[in-house]
Amino acid sequence: NAGVTQTPKFRVLKTGQSMTLLCAQDMNHEYMYWYRQDPGMGLRLIHYSVGEGTTAKGEVPDGYNVSRLKKQNFLLGLESAAPSQTSVYFCASEKSTGIPTEAFFGQGTRLTVV
Amino acid sequence: LAKTTQPISMDSYEGQEVNITCSHNNIATNDYITWYQQFPSQGPRFIIQGYKTKVTNEVASLFIPADRKSSTLSLPRVSLSDTAVYYCLVGDITPNSGGYQKVTFGTGTKLQVIP
Repeated sequence: NAGVTQTPKFRVLKTGQSMTLLCAQDMNHEYMYWYRQDPGMGLRLIHYSVGEGTTAKGEVPDGYNVSRLKKQNFLLGLESAAPSQTSVYFCASEKSTGIPTEAFFGQGTRLTVV
Repeated sequence: LAKTTQPISMDSYEGQEVNITCSHNNIATNDYITWYQQFPSQGPRFIIQGYKTKVTNEVASLFIPADRKSSTLSLPRVSLSDTAVYYCLVGDITPNSGGYQKVTFGTGTKLQVIP
């Protein structure tokens, strides 16, 4: 099993450009998350989804949009990239069991906005 | 959401037992305690999770006192490969909580294992 796969792994954007980060999981998990991690800091939750067709805001949602049209995919969009969005982005998925369980993370996408 | 406090960094020699304590004074009844490990340039990896008392798996133990206001991750006989950042998370994602709350990771504890 591949687990959680993030595409792309690296990207450089110019200010104002748009892009979509793709997260795919093959574990049939209900929950999916997008985090960002800045140097020397922990992970901050951007958006999350508790099932196909549902999304919700996390701690730092401004400037990002998400969609979960298929259960296995969770897309993170930047409509107009800003230098403040330079970060490493991690996607995670988790099985819904009624209690918190293990979240599986992707390898990350390193995004630089110039 | 329960706020967690951990030491910023710790050093340990190879072969020693390492204990990392996390403080979470306002933990709620439905909250669980979860620890993750993160190596540079990788996503976090689940280590252990518990609700109360002691939990042990093949890589670590988690000690939770009766009041649940703190927890201690214990790594037996660490090796150089255990050098990483360790995150303590407290949260509840049960459907009946009135909403899904996925906690945000704090800054974690950077563990440096010394030869």
